[in-house]
Amino acid sequence: DGGITQSPKYLFRKEGQNVTLSCEQNLNHDAMYWYRQDPGQGLRLIYYSQIVNDFQKGDIAEGYSVSREKKESFPLTVTSAQKNPTAFYLCASSTDLYGYTFGSGTRLTVV
Amino acid sequence: QQQVKQSPQSLIVQKGGISIINCAYENTAFDYFPWYQQFPGKGPALLIAIRPDVSEKKEGRFTISFNKSAKQFSLHIMDSQPGDSATYFCAAINSGAGSYQLTFGKGTKLSVIP
Repeated sequence: DGGITQSPKYLFRKEGQNVTLSCEQNLNHDAMYWYRQDPGQGLRLIYYSQIVNDFQKGDIAEGYSVSREKKESFPLTVTSAQKNPTAFYLCASSTDLYGYTFGSGTRLTVV
Repeated sequence: QQQVKQSPQSLIVQKGGISIINCAYENTAFDYFPWYQQFPGKGPALLIAIRPDVSEKKEGRFTISFNKSAKQFSLHIMDSQPGDSATYFCAAINSGAGSYQLTFGKGTKLSVIP
């Protein structure tokens, strides 16, 4: 089955640590996205990539970093500079205006 | 600046009733308006979408109404069922911006009670 796989489903981070969230897709989509979801806030765009080795900042990129070395993979690193990282993180991919697919998300909690 | 405003934040509807969720946008460059349904702990899934050259689109029990002059669009769920209980997000895309970034409303939590 084609789709997007996010791992892990749950992640706990200590203060000052960097953590990396995985996102893999087998849909052959060119574009990939990371969104952050907070209760009552909708989804906000962190970073997006339209092609391998290229990515752009979204609305809330501070404290996050990404890479796009392969078409299938778009990992997100939450750095220690992100002061409020507890949230639900969603990865998505699309091939055009109509073909948006979301993963099942990673819930990150700071302990 | 919130570009897509969604209301209400929460909605309780009796089984068999009509659920109505409203959204308004500011950016006239938006040219595609999808609605997403999200269950707890899951990613959003596309429910139905509309382009601004159409005033209404219906798929089964779900209908989008679109008012381009008022910059408003709404989702109607007919014969609402307990299985429809979820969070619904309206969204908008400006396809001319060079990427397909979704701008989301803040969501409506729908509860359908038996």
